[in-house]
Amino acid sequence: SQTIHQWPATLVQPVGSPLSLECTVEGTSNPNLYWYRQAAGRGLQLLFYSVGIGQISSEVPQNLSASRPQDRQFILSSKKLLLSDSGFYLCAWSSQGFDTDTQYFGPGTRLTVL
Amino acid sequence: GQNIDQPTEMTATEGAIVQINCTYQTSGFNGLFWYQQHAGEAPTFLSYNVLDGLEEKGRFSSFLSRSKGYSYLLLKELQMKDSASYLCAVWSSNYQLIWGAGTKLIIKP
Repeated sequence: SQTIHQWPATLVQPVGSPLSLECTVEGTSNPNLYWYRQAAGRGLQLLFYSVGIGQISSEVPQNLSASRPQDRQFILSSKKLLLSDSGFYLCAWSSQGFDTDTQYFGPGTRLTVL
Repeated sequence: GQNIDQPTEMTATEGAIVQINCTYQTSGFNGLFWYQQHAGEAPTFLSYNVLDGLEEKGRFSSFLSRSKGYSYLLLKELQMKDSASYLCAVWSSNYQLIWGAGTKLIIKP
């Protein structure tokens, strides 16, 4: 069966510090991968998605970036965090080749920027 | 623009039935998802509708009317563990998944 991991689970960072969040998927090959952010009491905002190694599409211009160095690894980064970057960050995967296939979420990382 | 509307919060009683509505206005339609999200946790998949009608899965059912841009999630025999937010999401014509803000369901004993 497929599993998706994210770490760290929680993170408190000062404004201006760098960020690296990691997501890995097991039990599937060549998945579509997604990074979302969820502000408190709000819906999910798609940040990035990837259909393959090195292929990243950005949905929202901001100080965040994403990379996919391996087939089942997706990394979210920032060089300098802003207060507005606080939120719940979720990684998700779906099967490759099925555009409307179900997305399955990792446990999430709760980021607080102070 | 693309928009999904859900009630912000609903309250129901343990053992009762509750219906959570979702209306959408999107550029095209390729299916509608319902997810459950407990506080502080990730969303988990509940149902997917692409054709009109009712899909039943145990205590949970989901209905879709594409002509009306409308869906609902029906929860029967409510249990305390059903207290959660319920998210509606629609695949639009360019295969972008549009998310509603979610409905927080509070179950009272």
